[in-house]
Amino acid sequence: GQSLEQPSEVTAVEGAIVQINCTYQTSGFYGLSWYQQHDGGAPTFLSYNALDGLEETGRFSSFLSRSDSYGYLLLQELQMKDSASYFCAVRGNTPLVFGKGTRLSVIA
Amino acid sequence: EPEVTQTPSHQVTQMGQEVILRCVPISNHLYFYWYRQILGQKVEFLVSFYNNEISEKSEIFDDQFSVERPDGSNFTLKIRSTKLEDSAMYFCASGASGITDTQYFGPGTRLTVL
Repeated sequence: GQSLEQPSEVTAVEGAIVQINCTYQTSGFYGLSWYQQHDGGAPTFLSYNALDGLEETGRFSSFLSRSDSYGYLLLQELQMKDSASYFCAVRGNTPLVFGKGTRLSVIA
Repeated sequence: EPEVTQTPSHQVTQMGQEVILRCVPISNHLYFYWYRQILGQKVEFLVSFYNNEISEKSEIFDDQFSVERPDGSNFTLKIRSTKLEDSAMYFCASGASGITDTQYFGPGTRLTVL
């Protein structure tokens, strides 16, 4: 089977940097994705890592270590609008499986 | 920017009734998906569709469910004989590649079964 672990909640200050970790267990592995979901909204794709290393897209970066079955999402220069739930999702020998999500609260 | 659209935004139905949820994927995408999210819980995969047939489905996607691409643009999820526990947000998604899973989600249909 497949399982993902990520913290349920994180709080950070506006302008700061926050890292959301994700560890996974999967049979087969193609890649790790990150999605953002605001309350009442649809998941929005943020990033995808298939290979080890850091992928940067503006204020957001995502990291993957396949040997450690671990990845993280890094959000820099936090803004109030970044308050949302963030899901890691893994693609293995079964279709995309989502983690339970990390609720990020950005405070002033 | 192209986007996935879904109709209706909210569907209320009586237990035992059939519902059809509709989606228009991004036009040049080839892979289509349905997910559901029960309120406050994680997103769960239901089914993927490629080349006019189901490519993968989860345990949730039992005989009560079916999908169809009736024409070149629409992608539908039918739920026969709805149950109370089918109440959830249903998201359609599409992607250009089935492996990289860069999936673009629609705004969802909130299904309420009474």
